[in-house]
Amino acid sequence: AQKITQTQPGMFVQEKEAVTLDCTYDTSDQSYGLFWYKQPSSGEMIFLIYQGSYDEQNATEGRYSLNFQKARKSANLVISASQLGDSAMYFCAMRDHNAGNNRKLIWGLGTSLAVNP
Amino acid sequence: GAGVSQSPSNKVTEKGKDVELRCDPISGHTALYWYRQSLGQGLEFLIYFQGNSAPDKSGLPSDRFSAERTGGSVSTLTIQRTQQEDSAVYLCASSTTGALNGELFFGEGSRLTVL
Repeated sequence: AQKITQTQPGMFVQEKEAVTLDCTYDTSDQSYGLFWYKQPSSGEMIFLIYQGSYDEQNATEGRYSLNFQKARKSANLVISASQLGDSAMYFCAMRDHNAGNNRKLIWGLGTSLAVNP
Repeated sequence: GAGVSQSPSNKVTEKGKDVELRCDPISGHTALYWYRQSLGQGLEFLIYFQGNSAPDKSGLPSDRFSAERTGGSVSTLTIQRTQQEDSAVYLCASSTTGALNGELFFGEGSRLTVL
């Protein structure tokens, strides 16, 4: 069965420093996609970054990058130059190609990130 | 508006009452999802609509839960005879297609509290 594991319930980082949020996944499928979402206290889920299983390059979006290690089944999110506004819950999610017409995402339990001034 | 709109943002109800939660997706988005997020938990898939295809209802936790999507746009999630364990934030999301890399756009959720 597919599963997403985020082992860090909470993380702290100093403003302007980089932080890595861990995500490991379990799937028997060869073709899948990995997502990271941010959920601030307002509750809205905000898409950050996407990595396809066949993408050869690690995905980057501004200050966000994804450290994708396919053999280890990990897709860690790296946030560079942390800002106070980065304080939020961060969720890792996966969608596989073999879900037929259902493109539902499988979600981890999230990591709460606090950025200290 | 330009984003996914959900209403009500907060709903407090008594056990046993029925509730309806509404989702207005981004115009033109063919895929619509309902998720449930309980306190301290990740997102639990409930139901998925894609165009005119039959919805995937595999995540609905009981027959007290139902959802419909009218005209391929607005969706309503109905919970009958609410129970305290139904208390959660109900999130709606839409995307342009059901493609693998299709980004989901979420609403701000409807927080349901069952007393």
